[in-house]
Amino acid sequence: AQSVTQLGSHVSVSEGALVLLRCNYSSSVPPYLFWYVQYPNQGLQLLLKYTSAATLVKGINGFEAEFKKSETSFHLTKPSAHMSDAAEYFCAVSLMNRDDKIIFGKGTRLHILP
Amino acid sequence: SQTIHQWPATLVQPVGSPLSLECTVEGTSNPNLYWYRQAAGRGLQLLFYSVGIGQISSEVPQNLSASRPQDRQFILSSKKLLLSDSGFYLCAWRFGTVSYEQYFGPGTRLTVT
Repeated sequence: AQSVTQLGSHVSVSEGALVLLRCNYSSSVPPYLFWYVQYPNQGLQLLLKYTSAATLVKGINGFEAEFKKSETSFHLTKPSAHMSDAAEYFCAVSLMNRDDKIIFGKGTRLHILP
Repeated sequence: SQTIHQWPATLVQPVGSPLSLECTVEGTSNPNLYWYRQAAGRGLQLLFYSVGIGQISSEVPQNLSASRPQDRQFILSSKKLLLSDSGFYLCAWRFGTVSYEQYFGPGTRLTVT
């Protein structure tokens, strides 16, 4: 069965520092993977997706993620944090069937320190 | 382009009162539709999904129900709200079989008092 684990429910980084949010997945088939961002009192916004093409995926707002099959990881990174990056981030894996249910991680809240 | 709407944006209801939340999608046809709930500090919980008109699958049997009276309309209902129904309700959609990512609406904040 597919599952997603996000390491760290809260992560704090200084403005201008590297952002690294960790995600490990479990899947019995080659997965489709996603990162979503949620700002307070808003819906989830798709940041980027991996669909078995390039292993390094670039998304919006300067974020990117690398699919590493050997490590079953899909970590999200951004070279330089900005105050506007403060939000909650969800990693997710698709079951890739007709129902297309997505399994979400529990989320990581990113805090940006001035 | 596609747009998803949810209303109301916020709602305060007493325990035991009925509930109706509406979600509509514009700019696409025959989408898969989903209802999620976010309780404080508890992540996303899938409540219902629908692959077509009148086709509803329930993930968490409880005092909530869902209906899809039209292709791009998805309604979440309850006859009698419980305190535990408080939360942030999100509707999402996906292209039928084209891709696997879901797109979310702005959400409804429900407080049951």
